[in-house]
Amino acid sequence: DGGITQSPKYLFRKEGQNVTLSCEQNLNHDAMYWYRQDPGQGLRLIYYSQIVNDFQKGDIAEGYSVSREKKESFPLTVTSAQKNPTAFYLCASQGAGLAFSGANVLTFGAGSRLTVL
Amino acid sequence: AQSVTQLGSHVSVSEGALVLLRCNYSSSVPPYLFWYVQYPNQGLQLLLKYTTGATLVKGINGFEAEFKKSETSFHLTKPSAHMSDAAEYFCAVLSGGYNKLIFGAGTRLAVHP
Repeated sequence: DGGITQSPKYLFRKEGQNVTLSCEQNLNHDAMYWYRQDPGQGLRLIYYSQIVNDFQKGDIAEGYSVSREKKESFPLTVTSAQKNPTAFYLCASQGAGLAFSGANVLTFGAGSRLTVL
Repeated sequence: AQSVTQLGSHVSVSEGALVLLRCNYSSSVPPYLFWYVQYPNQGLQLLLKYTTGATLVKGINGFEAEFKKSETSFHLTKPSAHMSDAAEYFCAVLSGGYNKLIFGAGTRLAVHP
């Protein structure tokens, strides 16, 4: 079955450490996204990529980095520069298509919960 | 710029009662609107979407939403709540020109016997 796989499901990090969250999709989607979710704040966009080898900052990119070397993969690194990294991180992908076609539906992974000790 | 406001961070209903989750949006262009549901420690699942055409949109699990341009609203309803409907619900609007979704803060629905 096609879908998005995020790993690990749970991750603990000591302050000052970088960690990388994995996101893999087999939907043949061009666009991929990383969101951060905090209680009562909804989802906030960290980074997104519309095509391989290209990505753009979202609303809260500081302290994060990404790469898009393959269409299927969009890993997110939470660096030590991120002051409050404890959160639930969601990866999503989206197929190509014009807005009016209704193709702009995001498919989400199951999420990764990062806790800083 | 597009934005979404969900009125009520928590809604509690009795099993069998009407569910009404409110969503208002702002958009400078014709909006494309979505409702997603999230169960604990899981990703988001699409409930329904409005792009063009009929303003009353039916989704999965008996939910529906009506696009009202004059009220800039896209409220989510279900005639009879079930215990399994307990989850967090997010309204979202498509950000014009970037294919990005802008999410509301979410409404947590509790269903009690």
